[in-house]
Amino acid sequence: AQSVTQPDIHITVSEGASLELRCNYSYGATPYLFWYVQSPGQGLQLLLKYFSGDTLVQGIKGFEAEFKRSQSSFNLRKPSVHWSDAAEYFCAAFILTGGGNKLTFGTGTQLKVEL
Amino acid sequence: SAVISQKPSRDICQRGTSLTIQCQVDSQVTMMFWYRQQPGQSLTLIATANQGSEATYESGFVIDKFPISRPNLTFSTLTVSNMSPEDSSIYLCSVVWGRVPDTQYFGPGTRLTVL
Repeated sequence: AQSVTQPDIHITVSEGASLELRCNYSYGATPYLFWYVQSPGQGLQLLLKYFSGDTLVQGIKGFEAEFKRSQSSFNLRKPSVHWSDAAEYFCAAFILTGGGNKLTFGTGTQLKVEL
Repeated sequence: SAVISQKPSRDICQRGTSLTIQCQVDSQVTMMFWYRQQPGQSLTLIATANQGSEATYESGFVIDKFPISRPNLTFSTLTVSNMSPEDSSIYLCSVVWGRVPDTQYFGPGTRLTVL
């Protein structure tokens, strides 16, 4: 079955350290890929997206993600984490199916930032 | 940028009652969706709200429990019927402005607690 996997449920980093959140997908074709962030009590905010073209995409808040077809991955990175980055991060993929179109989410990674 | 609003932002309801959640967008959209996010979980698609016709429900969700209306291109409602504590979740409206696949944007969510 087509799916999106985020292997890390929780990650803790120190403020100022670099960050990488992992995301893998399983599809026959290249999906349309997204990263969203959800702060406590908030809705989802789009960080960045990949549809085609340059495999390194830049997003808001200093985040970037790299699409690697060979690894079926779309990992999110930030060179220096700020305390305000503490939130839940969701990777998602848009599935084009015969029965319709659907955005499928990974299980999320909870990021904690230590001061 | 366009704004997606939801009412109410939160509510506490008694078992057996129903709650209608509204989603309003300040510009016409192509597609509208309703998601559920149970405590500590990822997002699950409930249904696609179709303008002027019955919503398209995902497996495990039925119209009797989650009736949905979409009378025009900027407004939709989701009703959670005959509620039980298991319905305690965040309910999120999501929209697409362009042709799918395209970026989905999310409303702030409605936090529902059922006692």
